[in-house]
Amino acid sequence: NAGVTQTPKFRVLKTGQSMTLLCAQDMNHEYMYWYRQDPGMGLRLIHYSVGEGTTAKGEVPDGYNVSRLKKQNFLLGLESAAPSQTSVYFCASSSALNQPQHFGDGTRLSIL
Amino acid sequence: EDQVTQSPEALRLQEGESSSLNCSYTVSGLRGLFWYRQDPGKGPEFLFTLYSAGEEKEKERLKATLTKKESFLHITAPKPEDSATYLCAVQARGSTLGRLYFGRGTQLTVWP
Repeated sequence: NAGVTQTPKFRVLKTGQSMTLLCAQDMNHEYMYWYRQDPGMGLRLIHYSVGEGTTAKGEVPDGYNVSRLKKQNFLLGLESAAPSQTSVYFCASSSALNQPQHFGDGTRLSIL
Repeated sequence: EDQVTQSPEALRLQEGESSSLNCSYTVSGLRGLFWYRQDPGKGPEFLFTLYSAGEEKEKERLKATLTKKESFLHITAPKPEDSATYLCAVQARGSTLGRLYFGRGTQLTVWP
């Protein structure tokens, strides 16, 4: 079972560069989420989606954009990367509101 | 504001030495409380969901319990392979989009 797959696993960017992180799930889940995890802090929600074509802002959305053109994919974009966006990014999906979210193994992003 | 606090931050146990991890929360109505395990370099792995006070769930050496203000993750006779960071997350009843509030985690080390 693949579950939630994130690509790439690692990436180093220079300040000002742009990139897209891809999340794919094969569980036919409606809900998808992007989190960031920083040392000493809990996972924080960036953006989320309740279905194909719908997205919404989470707790820390500034500097990020998302798209969900297909139900199985949720993309996170950084238009102009900043050092403060150095973090580990996790994607998650769930079948319903009160069901557990299942996570991918993360993308480790460093911005110099 | 909704908050989740986990204690202790770190816990070292000898193999076979049972203990408990705590997760206290303040949300305006609880929809669900989730326990996850996270290994280094990996995403959170779902363990349990608890929905109402008094509920208990068990899996191998782990048992999760829930009261109106806190949850405990009891670890009985732990083994070195139980070493990981344990995360607690809550979902408020008023959340229309399934947002989880995560604690900072308890890093558990079990030595032989």
